[in-house]
Amino acid sequence: QVQLQESGPGLVKPSQTLSLTCTVSGGSISSGSYYWSWIRQPAGKGLEWIGRIYTSGSTNYNPSLKSRVTISVDTSKNQFSLKLSSVTAADTAVYYCAREAEDIVRLWGRGTLVTVSS
Amino acid sequence: EIVLTQSPDFQSVTPKEKVTITCRASQSIGSSLHWYQQKPDQSPKLLIKYASQSFSGVPSRFSGSGSGTDFTLTINSLEAEDAATYYCHQSSSLPQTFGQGTKVEIK
Repeated sequence: QVQLQESGPGLVKPSQTLSLTCTVSGGSISSGSYYWSWIRQPAGKGLEWIGRIYTSGSTNYNPSLKSRVTISVDTSKNQFSLKLSSVTAADTAVYYCAREAEDIVRLWGRGTLVTVSS
Repeated sequence: EIVLTQSPDFQSVTPKEKVTITCRASQSIGSSLHWYQQKPDQSPKLLIKYASQSFSGVPSRFSGSGSGTDFTLTINSLEAEDAATYYCHQSSSLPQTFGQGTKVEIK
C-alpha cells in the first residue's frame, strides 16, 4: 500500500526558501500514470493547490505561486520535492504531498506544518 | 482560475438527519468535481469523484450529484463520525481549486 510522508524544516525565516521532501513508500514513484502534487492549508483555512510533477518531469504550477515554486522528482530515492522561495508569513501552512490519478487527488500524506517566522 | 463557492459555511445537524452541501463553480466544469472529507488534524479523504461516483470504501450514505456549475453532496442519515469539514475540488482546468469548506457539526 503506497504511503506518502512529508519531511523538512518546521521553521523557516522570512525571505528564505522553504524546502520539503515527500518520500513515497510501498511502491515506485515511477510506476503508473500519476502526478505527484503539493497542496497547502493555512491554519483554520481552506486548501490551495501549489503544483504537481509527472514522473517524466513535466510540471504544472499555480500561477499565484509560479514565480517562487519549483517541484522536482528524484526517482532514485523515490522522492519528490517542493521549493518555495522568498517566503513570508502568508506561506505559513500545513503542506501536504499527494498523488493524483486522473487529475483527482486520491492519496495524501499526513501533512507537515511549516511556520515562517524570524 | 475557477472559483468554487460552497454553501453553507457551517451546519449543525442532529444524528440521522440528512445533510446537503452545495458547490457552485464560476464557470462550467462538466463533471470534474470531487468531494473530500477532512477531520481535525487529518488529511482530506476522497469521498466522491466526478460529481457522483463513490470512491472505494466510502459509506453508501454519501452521494453526489450535479454537472456544469452546480453540484451537491448529500449525507443521508448523518452519523456522529461524519463531523468534519467537507471540500469540493475541481480538476477541469489548472490551477486546480477547492471550495472554502463546509463544517458539519453534530448537535
